[in-house]
Amino acid sequence: KNQVEQSPQSLIILEGKNCTLQCNYTVSPFSNLRWYKQDTGRGPVSLTIMTFSENTKSNGRYTATLDADTKQSSLHITASQLSDSASYICVVRVYTDGSQGNLIFGKGTKLSVKP
Amino acid sequence: GAVVSQHPSWVICKSGTSVKIECRSLDFQATTMFWYRQFPKQSLMLMATSNEGSKATYEQGVEKDKFLINHASLTLSTLTVTSAHPEDSSFYICSARASGTSDRYEQYFGPGTRLTVT
Repeated sequence: KNQVEQSPQSLIILEGKNCTLQCNYTVSPFSNLRWYKQDTGRGPVSLTIMTFSENTKSNGRYTATLDADTKQSSLHITASQLSDSASYICVVRVYTDGSQGNLIFGKGTKLSVKP
Repeated sequence: GAVVSQHPSWVICKSGTSVKIECRSLDFQATTMFWYRQFPKQSLMLMATSNEGSKATYEQGVEKDKFLINHASLTLSTLTVTSAHPEDSSFYICSARASGTSDRYEQYFGPGTRLTVT
């Protein structure tokens, strides 16, 4: 069964600190992996997207890694800010030959950055 | 960048009534639009996929007669929740993918619509 598991479920850190969020997936065949940021009551906003051959991708203070062998990904946030408080969702697309495969969503990690 | 809008952003309706949610791609043409539902502390669940000019494809367990989807143009899709019940209260999010893009590219999400059925 295609699944995406994220940990931790929630995380509280102090402003300025770094943190790393984890994502394990069992999606096969694999197309790509995305990290989204979802503010409360808002739709998801894309942070990074990585294919099988990419093992790291940065977007400002966000750095995502991908290990396609172990089927693990992480999202590292550097020098956290209060505005980083949100849910971070790991999403994996299933590869489907000739058409667009479904997105498999994780439940997200709820990050709270405190002053 | 690509922008997807939804209207309304929140709506409260009485049980038994119908409510329509609009999803628009503002600066690109979307041949495919997706409708998701998200319950509190849960991940987004795909309800249906719609291609412009054709009938929507519904995921297993989603009642097509209850959740009517119309994708009449390349920039507009609507979701109508018919005979709404309190258990339909949820956060509904649409997503759009531009025509001519490969799987490598983004699926852009709208800001969501909070539906509360009383």
